[in-house]
Amino acid sequence: GESVGLHLPTLSVQEGDNSIINCAYSNSASDYFIWYKQESGKGPQFIIDIRSNMDKRQGQRVTVLLNKTVKHLSLQIAATQPGDSAVYFCAERDEGGSQGNLIFGKGTKLSVKP
Amino acid sequence: DAGVIQSPRHEVTEMGQEVTLRCKPISGHNSLFWYRQTMMRGLELLIYFNNNVPIDDSGMPEDRFSAKMPNASFSTLKIQPSEPRDSAVYFCASSFLYEQYFGPGTRLTVT
Repeated sequence: GESVGLHLPTLSVQEGDNSIINCAYSNSASDYFIWYKQESGKGPQFIIDIRSNMDKRQGQRVTVLLNKTVKHLSLQIAATQPGDSAVYFCAERDEGGSQGNLIFGKGTKLSVKP
Repeated sequence: DAGVIQSPRHEVTEMGQEVTLRCKPISGHNSLFWYRQTMMRGLELLIYFNNNVPIDDSGMPEDRFSAKMPNASFSTLKIQPSEPRDSAVYFCASSFLYEQYFGPGTRLTVT
């Protein structure tokens, strides 16, 4: 029979536009968050991180926003390029959990149209 | 640094056979993680080590799965006997603080 897989949320953007990928986390005790990018056939790659004592952090073409009130994390990519096409995962670290353990979200697929 | 190294990159085996996946973490990292990724379940943490000691193996599916870390530069994940439902991409990651660095993965197919 037909296999049923995870239905990843998909974001489709035009090359050059800005992209916003959202993530809701569940644990209010989480003190650290990371965004990863996974291209087809590769392992997840670190993009940017943010600690819970911050609400915004900027990198090269990327910005992460953290809203602890509503437990929401977002990744903004400026001037999106075809090379940004990938699945993006947010991950959180539970301050009260086992050291080093990250909890990954299900991922969002970003598709960039040339 | 070469990053996290995993071998083999691809493994095809028959049901019932033993499979051993290998990982070399980044030098100086003190934590090592084994993940499994499938279309059905996404990215799942199987087990992780801190300073070569297993800390949390609650994600290991069943007794057919075992992992070892005999020293700071090497870890194995073994499946014995393998089953078709074990088919997945297995990732190893290492970290020093919070940020985990992933290897390229081993794509396992059990027929």
